[in-house]
Amino acid sequence: DIQMTQSPSTLSASIGDRVTITCRASQSFSDWLAWYQQKPGKAPKLLIYRASTLQTGVASRFSGSGSGTEFTLTITNLQPDDFATYYCQQYNTYSLTFGGGTKVEI
Amino acid sequence: QLQVQESGPGLVKPSETLSLTCNVSGGSTFTANHYWSWLRQPPGKGLEWIGSIYYTGSTYYNPSLKSRVTVSLDMSKNQFSLKLNYMTAADTAVYHCAGGSVSMAPLGACYFPLWGRGTLVTVSS
Repeated sequence: DIQMTQSPSTLSASIGDRVTITCRASQSFSDWLAWYQQKPGKAPKLLIYRASTLQTGVASRFSGSGSGTEFTLTITNLQPDDFATYYCQQYNTYSLTFGGGTKVEI
Repeated sequence: QLQVQESGPGLVKPSETLSLTCNVSGGSTFTANHYWSWLRQPPGKGLEWIGSIYYTGSTYYNPSLKSRVTVSLDMSKNQFSLKLNYMTAADTAVYHCAGGSVSMAPLGACYFPLWGRGTLVTVSS
């Protein structure tokens, strides 16, 4: 299995900040990576797939980049609605794995 | 609009089998566009993929759960199901069904634009 490690596990930020979350893979692959946002008691919401492709309807302040073993999710101009937990997921192989999550808090 | 919704018991006894069903509405399970999938999330913890099934009947399972899991598809009812044997307290989690997109993904792999709200399953005697 490919192990996905996210950092930081918790991130404190303010409205208007730019925040970056990193996801590192235990082995290299191209760009088969997705990012999700999850709020308490809700299902995850897909933000980005193919490492950098924004899902339809997702705000343009979210962006993704990376390939190989290091991927990043960047949120510019952090909004109140963005305080949530974020997960990365690799789909390089059928054995799908997620990162441990990053909680973005005020 | 394509939607998925889980149903099943909220409480399962240790050593018993969990059976959950996911109803698909607004579209057909007979589609090449999705891997119909199950994922779970223990309280306060991260996400774990359990397994997926394609309309051809091909199944893919998490290696750590493979010996206990069966995912099946009933296209006549537009549903897919999960069976997880030999439940223990470690299997207590919110179980989500999901539609995994095959678009722009390697064979057998997917990402998840479509999620059910999830159902909490507690393992306790």
